[in-house]
Amino acid sequence: ETGVTQSPTHLIKTRGQQVTLRCSSQSGHNTVSWYQQALGQGPQFIFQYYREEENGRGNFPPRFSGLQFPNYSSELNVNALELDDSALYLCASSPWGAVYEQYFGPGTRLTVT
Amino acid sequence: DQQVKQNSPSLSVQEGRISILNCDYTNSMFDYFLWYKKYPAEGPTFLISISSIKDKNEDGRFTVFLNKSAKHLSLHIVPSQPGDSAVYFCAASAPSGTYKYIFGTGTRLKVLA
Repeated sequence: ETGVTQSPTHLIKTRGQQVTLRCSSQSGHNTVSWYQQALGQGPQFIFQYYREEENGRGNFPPRFSGLQFPNYSSELNVNALELDDSALYLCASSPWGAVYEQYFGPGTRLTVT
Repeated sequence: DQQVKQNSPSLSVQEGRISILNCDYTNSMFDYFLWYKKYPAEGPTFLISISSIKDKNEDGRFTVFLNKSAKHLSLHIVPSQPGDSAVYFCAASAPSGTYKYIFGTGTRLKVLA
């Protein structure tokens, strides 16, 4: 059984640019959640997707947006990057009906310069 | 406002002894709690969970205790092993249909051989 995978592993962007991060959910999982983990902090919930629709959002501005595809993979898009967006971005997948079980990928380390 | 707090940033324990990691929360609406373990360069790994209707849940060497009146939960690891050395996060969720988890800032556990 394949776990949650994320790409790329590392990314360096310049302030003002746009970035797309990708996540493939674990087999059989149809719900994806995205988290941002700043250095020395715990993960912070960005949003969750179920059946290709946003199913809840944390305190992040609209320049953070997402997509979920029919195969349940997902993208996180961030526009107009700011220095404070530098963080580890984690994706977690869950089976619906057991959405409390969240299985995390290894994350994408984004550095904004 | 930090709704989930892990006040000990680090903890060192001798191999074979008990490790006790603590977590406090402020939101009385939280009804589900989890503990995750995180190794460097990996995503958080689910360890154990507890619903607010219980006060204890045990899984092998790991036991989570919940004291709702004190808004406190703890993770006990007995016996501690060097492979348990990692950062441990507690997380909590309120009933919203989203299972948006609020994470603490983590406690770094070091088990000394």
